[in-house]
Amino acid sequence: RKEVEQDPGPFNVPEGATVAFNCTYSNSASQSFFWYRQDCRKEPKLLMSVYSSGNEDGRFTAQLNRASQYISLLIRDSKLSDSATYLCVVNDPIYNQGGKLIFGQGTELSVKP
Amino acid sequence: DVKVTQSSRYLVKRTGEKVFLECVQDMDHENMFWYRQDPGLGLRLIYFSYDVKMKEKGDIPEGYSVSREKKERFSLILESASTNQTSMYLCASTSVGWSGQGARAKNIQYFGAGTRLSVL
Repeated sequence: RKEVEQDPGPFNVPEGATVAFNCTYSNSASQSFFWYRQDCRKEPKLLMSVYSSGNEDGRFTAQLNRASQYISLLIRDSKLSDSATYLCVVNDPIYNQGGKLIFGQGTELSVKP
Repeated sequence: DVKVTQSSRYLVKRTGEKVFLECVQDMDHENMFWYRQDPGLGLRLIYFSYDVKMKEKGDIPEGYSVSREKKERFSLILESASTNQTSMYLCASTSVGWSGQGARAKNIQYFGAGTRLSVL
């Protein structure tokens, strides 16, 4: 079982659509959760941290369910510029102070006009 | 803004050459990381470092070594490059603790722009 598993892509959606990405993680001791965005041939960049209470940043909403070890990202009113690969990321609790992260393989999103 | 700078965006080397990939960060971060990224395999950790002269093996250290002589600089070394080391190499750094964003974000890694290495 992979440590961080994401929905397989690609997701092809029209502009304005709502799209949801799901992710599960295997180690219940993980404490930090993130969504990163990676544009084609570029480096990953932090999109948002994920908090236990759920959090929203404009059109983006992240949810965390610790009991199910499940993380989600919802994008509302998709824009062409949202086209990218979205990486689900959790910390490795064995190296909690060292900042070691575990990355999912990513889900590719393509938003079409 | 955090800045992580990798010395080269594109590099072409020959099999058997010794290759140095350099990474510098300007935020006084304690922790630095080297990853490679290949299609279908995602990001894989090669080595990381907690502090100067400290290093830890990641998931795929074979064929690589690292050097951290100064806090801001973390070098990845391919002792004898091989064609299966053709890849995108990404450096990252992080400080561990609390950020200003709601005092809950931590362990956020900041990446350099990456080096696309081709070994012929």
